[in-house]
Amino acid sequence: EVQLLESGGGLVQPGGSLRLSCAASGFTFNNYAMGWVRQAPGRGLEWVSSISGSGRDTFYADSVKGRFTISRDNFKNTLYLQMNSLRAEDTAEYYCTKDSGSYDYWGQGTLVTVST
Amino acid sequence: QAGLTQPPSVSKGLRQTATLTCTGNSNNVGNQGAAWLQQHRGHPPKLLSYRNNNRPSGISERLSASRSGNTASLTITGLQPEDEADYYCSAWDSSLSVWVFGGGTKLTVL
Repeated sequence: EVQLLESGGGLVQPGGSLRLSCAASGFTFNNYAMGWVRQAPGRGLEWVSSISGSGRDTFYADSVKGRFTISRDNFKNTLYLQMNSLRAEDTAEYYCTKDSGSYDYWGQGTLVTVST
Repeated sequence: QAGLTQPPSVSKGLRQTATLTCTGNSNNVGNQGAAWLQQHRGHPPKLLSYRNNNRPSGISERLSASRSGNTASLTITGLQPEDEADYYCSAWDSSLSVWVFGGGTKLTVL
C-alpha cells in the first residue's frame, strides 16, 4: 500500500524558514517523480514543485522560485521541501504527491502558517 | 503561470448526470490530456482519472473523462450524495515545464 507521510509544518514568522519532509513507502521510490502541491485555506490547489526520480531535474512555480528548494534522498525514501524567506501568502496545507504521469497518490498534508 | 479554467460551481439533482469542464491550451490539456481529482472537505485530493479516460482501480464506473481539443470533461452519471465535493483538473504544461491546476468546481447534489 502506497503511503506518503508529511511532517515539518508549523507556525513561522515572515522571513523565516521551514523544512518539510515526506516519508514514502509501498512503492519503488526512485522510480517515480514526486511533487509538492499546496492549498491555502478555502482556496484551490496550487502546484509548488516537482523533482525527477533521480533527483537530477527540478521544477518550480514562479511564486516560489528562488525561495524553495525540492530534494530527495532515495536511500531514505524521503522527499523534502526547504522553504526560505517565507511570506504570509505561503500559508497553506502542503501535500506530498507521487507522480506517475499524474498525481496518483497524496499524503494527508502538513500545515504551514506564516504569521507574526 | 496561468491555470486551467473550470466553472466555480455546478448543481444537479440526485441520480442526474453532471458534466464538469476544464479548458487549457495546446501545451497542456490539448497535448498531455488532463487528470481529474476529487476532494471532500477536510481530506486530501483523490485521483479519479488520468490521461483523459483512464480510471485508477476502485474508481466508480459512473465516472468517465474525455477530451476535445483543449477542453477536458468529467461526466458523473447517477449522482449520489457522496459525489458532492470539489473537483480539480490538472495537466503538465510542456511549454512552461510546470503542472497547472484548474481553480476547481464545487459540485452540489440537490
